[in-house]
Amino acid sequence: DQQVKQNSPSLSVQEGRISILNCDYTNSMFDYFLWYKKYPAEGPTFLISISSIKDKNEDGRFTVFLNKSAKHLSLHIVPSQPGDSAVYFCAASGMNQKVTFGTGTKLQVIP
Amino acid sequence: DAGVIQSPRHEVTEMGQEVTLRCKPISGHNSLFWYRQTMMRGLELLIYFNNNVPIDDSGMPEDRFSAKMPNASFSTLKIQPSEPRDSAVYFCASSFFSVGASSYGYTFGSGTRLTVV
Repeated sequence: DQQVKQNSPSLSVQEGRISILNCDYTNSMFDYFLWYKKYPAEGPTFLISISSIKDKNEDGRFTVFLNKSAKHLSLHIVPSQPGDSAVYFCAASGMNQKVTFGTGTKLQVIP
Repeated sequence: DAGVIQSPRHEVTEMGQEVTLRCKPISGHNSLFWYRQTMMRGLELLIYFNNNVPIDDSGMPEDRFSAKMPNASFSTLKIQPSEPRDSAVYFCASSFFSVGASSYGYTFGSGTRLTVV
């Protein structure tokens, strides 16, 4: 039972354009949402997060949007750069700090 | 700080052999997590510890898997006997957790790529 779903396994975007990565969740007890970025042969690294009391959090080129009623979040990268090419994992946690990850979306930014 | 350190980076073993993966968390972190990454299921939580005590091992696939955390600076994940379907990348992560605090995410190690032939 996948509680966190990333339905797009891959995404290609031109350099300079916007990348939008989507994520859906099913567990209404999740109250904190995170995005991780993973390069080949490395562990995932924390990118950005959002609390369930907010609907938007911005950090430089990265913005995460949360729609609680739809149980949907998205990560926007503007402008996209070739160095952003990586696998992006959506994740969610509740009060017990247990973090549930999605299956990942591989982003390719084309120069 | 050197971050979360996992060893070995790569492990190739024959089916039926025992495999032990090792992890050294970040000093001062009180929670440790073992994850497995596969194409089909992404990152699956196998087990996590808080203050060296196993809190949730519901993700451990079967009795062939066991994990220990004898002290705050060391943990092992053991597979005995190993099977080809155990082939995956195994990640260890650590964090500092306090009740009521927001989750600011984990720090992951570089992973151990396990191949069982």
